[in-house]
Amino acid sequence: LAKTTQPISMDSYEGQEVNITCSHNNIATNDYITWYQQFPSQGPRFIIQGYKTKVTNEVASLFIPADRKSSTLSLPRVSLSDTAVYYCLVGERRSGSARQLTFGSGTQLTVLP
Amino acid sequence: SQTIHQWPATLVQPVGSPLSLECTVEGTSNPNLYWYRQAAGRGLQLLFYSVGIGQISSEVPQNLSASRPQDRQFILSSKKLLLSDSGFYLCAYRDRGHDEQFFGPGTRLTVL
Repeated sequence: LAKTTQPISMDSYEGQEVNITCSHNNIATNDYITWYQQFPSQGPRFIIQGYKTKVTNEVASLFIPADRKSSTLSLPRVSLSDTAVYYCLVGERRSGSARQLTFGSGTQLTVLP
Repeated sequence: SQTIHQWPATLVQPVGSPLSLECTVEGTSNPNLYWYRQAAGRGLQLLFYSVGIGQISSEVPQNLSASRPQDRQFILSSKKLLLSDSGFYLCAYRDRGHDEQFFGPGTRLTVL
């Protein structure tokens, strides 16, 4: 499984755009990149998934360079409620073995007023 | 709609006592099921996953075990709890052919 590296923590202010970068140098050809969000005492929640270039949904954007060795989760105009831990995961999109991706320690994002 | 339930929500158990945590899923058939543990301030650690009834794969050696007696029921057990078993236990499911994992509300276990 490809290992991921993320910053331990980040601070931001309300209304700002936040970019969280994840490194995954050993990403395999069949691997997708997935981001989850977790609030305290809750299970993680899927945010976005991508394979290359750019993916955008109503919550976030995901930027993946051509070499796919890193990815950046972009949260536009964050609010206090975006304070959470964000996990970057790499693995096969639909593994026949159902083996789950590995959750690292994630990035604690704190949005300040 | 699909939902996932876990109980109990919180549990305080003495060392050496048995454990049984239950997870059930509604609104889906033949999902992949997962048990994770999260220690305070740490990431999630995959404990077990299951692709079908009676099929359990263990990711880490430990004194915990899992069972899947029914398609949408996943149980985490222990015969004798250790202090190190304390943590936040999360059950999750994923539908076949889909990418997203859905997590339950979790069980906060404290072993004293």
